[in-house]
Amino acid sequence: SQQGEEDPQALSIQEGENATMNCSYKTSINNLQWYRQNSGRGLVHLILIRSNEREKHSGRLRVTLDTSKKSSSLLITASRAADTASYFCAINAGGTSYGKLTFGQGTILTVHP
Amino acid sequence: KAGVTQTPRYLIKTRGQQVTLSCSPISGHRSVSWYQQTPGQGLQFLFEYFSETQRNKGNFPGRFSGRQFSNSRSEMNVSTLELGDSALYLCASSVDADSYNEQFFGPGTRLTVL
Repeated sequence: SQQGEEDPQALSIQEGENATMNCSYKTSINNLQWYRQNSGRGLVHLILIRSNEREKHSGRLRVTLDTSKKSSSLLITASRAADTASYFCAINAGGTSYGKLTFGQGTILTVHP
Repeated sequence: KAGVTQTPRYLIKTRGQQVTLSCSPISGHRSVSWYQQTPGQGLQFLFEYFSETQRNKGNFPGRFSGRQFSNSRSEMNVSTLELGDSALYLCASSVDADSYNEQFFGPGTRLTVL
C-alpha cells in the first residue's frame, strides 16, 4: 500500500506559471524525497528534505515539510514545457527501514507551451 | 561519476520462465534497493542490500529474490514468471547505510511477460 498520498493527481498549466504538488503521509519520517519521472523512464532525484528541516530550495524548486501535519509540498516556479513529467514523493521512515522508500501515486504535471 | 546502470533495458519472457536483472550502483555507493513499478500498484519496494546483506524486504512472494556482490553490484531474480510480473524494475543506490542519504535511480528494466 502507498503511504504517501499526492494531490492533485494531475495538473495542467501554461508555461511561466507556478506548479504546486502536495504529499501527505501517515507515519513519522526520517526524510522525504521528491522525484521526477518522464514517460516511464527512471526516476530523477530532485530534493531530499530531512525531518528536522522545514524548507529547501534547488534552482526553481522549493520544498516545504510540515511534520505536525505530516505533509510536504513541491513548488516549481516559472514552469517550462520540459517540466512535463510525473512527480513522486517518497518517504523514508528511518530506523530499520534502512533504504526503503515508500512512494505516493504521483502527480502528472503537463506544462503547455 | 557514472550513474546507476541497469541491464538489460528491455526483456520479453514467457510465463513460467525465470529472469535475472542486473544493477551497477554509482561508484562508492554500497546500498542498493529494488522497486517494481506497475500502472496499478505504482512503485513498490522489493528489497534492499548493503554490504552483501539483505536488510529489508517488501511484501513480494518468494519467487522474487536478490543478491549483492562484494563490488556492490546487485542482481534480482524472478522465477516462474507470471503475467502480473510485467513491470518496470528500478534499482537505486545510495552511498552508505545512513537512511539520511539520497537514493539515485537507474533507467530501469522493462520486463514483459507473455
